[in-house]
Amino acid sequence: GNSVTQMEGPVTLSEEAFLTINCTYTATGYPSLFWYVQYPGEGLQLLLKATKADDKGSNKGFEATYRKETTSFHLEKGSVQVSDSAVYFCALRSGGGADGLTFGKGTHLIIQP
Amino acid sequence: DAGITQSPRHKVTETGTPVTLRCHQTENHRYMYWYRQDPGHGLRLIHYSYGVKDTDKGEVSDGYSVSRSKTEDFLLTLESATSSQTSVYFCAISGTGEDDFFGQGTRLTVV
Repeated sequence: GNSVTQMEGPVTLSEEAFLTINCTYTATGYPSLFWYVQYPGEGLQLLLKATKADDKGSNKGFEATYRKETTSFHLEKGSVQVSDSAVYFCALRSGGGADGLTFGKGTHLIIQP
Repeated sequence: DAGITQSPRHKVTETGTPVTLRCHQTENHRYMYWYRQDPGHGLRLIHYSYGVKDTDKGEVSDGYSVSRSKTEDFLLTLESATSSQTSVYFCAISGTGEDDFFGQGTRLTVV
């Protein structure tokens, strides 16, 4: 079956530091890959996505590249801000639109001023 | 923001009682999903729907049932609530299968 593995944290960084959150996956076929962000007390918001190998998703300074050869989709940001503090989820969908998302366990990111 | 509303937002119920959570959308999206979020597990799919009266089971469907009698509403029912069903429940909608929108969540406590 499908699975997603990511570091759980918490990951604590200082403001303006470089961020990497690793995500690797196991899936049948050619999944679409996603990063979602959850702020305290809220639902999940789509941060970025990539639907085929070598695609790069980007949004709000965050980037992730779909690497089929390493089955990875690592999230990066060059300079984090306090407002980036949240829980980040890596996810995949391997079927068509009907299939639900398979999520990693989430990474709690804390940015200190 | 996508038009998706969950109700209630918070509920405390007793073991053995039935509970129904509602997800309402105004986007006319075809696909609707129910997930539960638990510490150390991320989000796990309970049930999903791909159209009116068309539903299927997800990873953790035991103890849950769903119904979708019209496009905009997707109901999740716990027939007899147990303490292991204490969780935060999220509804999600998708029109294309590439962009999912999540509700604000329902925090359910079973005592």
